[in-house]
Amino acid sequence: QKEVEQDPGPLSVPEGAIVSLNCTYSNSAFQYFMWYRQYSRKGPELLMYTYSSGNKEDGRFTAQVDKSSKYISLFIRDSQPSDSATYLCAMRRSGGGADGLTFGKGTHLIIQP
Amino acid sequence: ETGVTQTPRHLVMGMTNKKSLKCEQHLGHNAMYWYKQSAKKPLELMFVYNFKEQTENNSVPSRFSPECPNSSHLFLHLHTLQPEDSALYLCASSPDDREYNEQFFGPGTRLTVL
Repeated sequence: QKEVEQDPGPLSVPEGAIVSLNCTYSNSAFQYFMWYRQYSRKGPELLMYTYSSGNKEDGRFTAQVDKSSKYISLFIRDSQPSDSATYLCAMRRSGGGADGLTFGKGTHLIIQP
Repeated sequence: ETGVTQTPRHLVMGMTNKKSLKCEQHLGHNAMYWYKQSAKKPLELMFVYNFKEQTENNSVPSRFSPECPNSSHLFLHLHTLQPEDSALYLCASSPDDREYNEQFFGPGTRLTVL
């Protein structure tokens, strides 16, 4: 079983739709959960991180963590064509220190104008 | 710009060549990382350096040799690579003294091994 499972897509939705992206994980040692966005020919950039179970909102983005189910989600409201990118979930055992990230494969998202 | 630069952006090399990838960060961070991104695979951690000391080697073959002369620069020396080593190599840096230390990524070097 892979440590982090993420559907690679592509996921194609019309502009304005609510997008739901998800990852599951198997290692209960993971405590910090991140969502990165990666545009073509660019490095990943951090969108959001969360520590505990529950929701965290930032503008049009909401990150959700359910540690009991080992399931994390990212919701994008009022999706825009500029949101078209690959979305990577990532996680780590601790927030402090220098700890490498464990990533999912990434979901390729296409927002149709 | 994220403050992390990588050179070259593209590299084509034969299996017998020796080349080096360079990463530089202008963010004042103490930790630096190499990741490998292959098609249809998750980003894989390769090496972690903290204050110039290697703190993690994720079972990377010896044909990849990292070097961190100071906290701002990180190199990945390549020799006798295989075609399956073709990938995007990403460098990242982060602080190491906060409750949560965000990793900032460079644009990557696209490596093709012939």
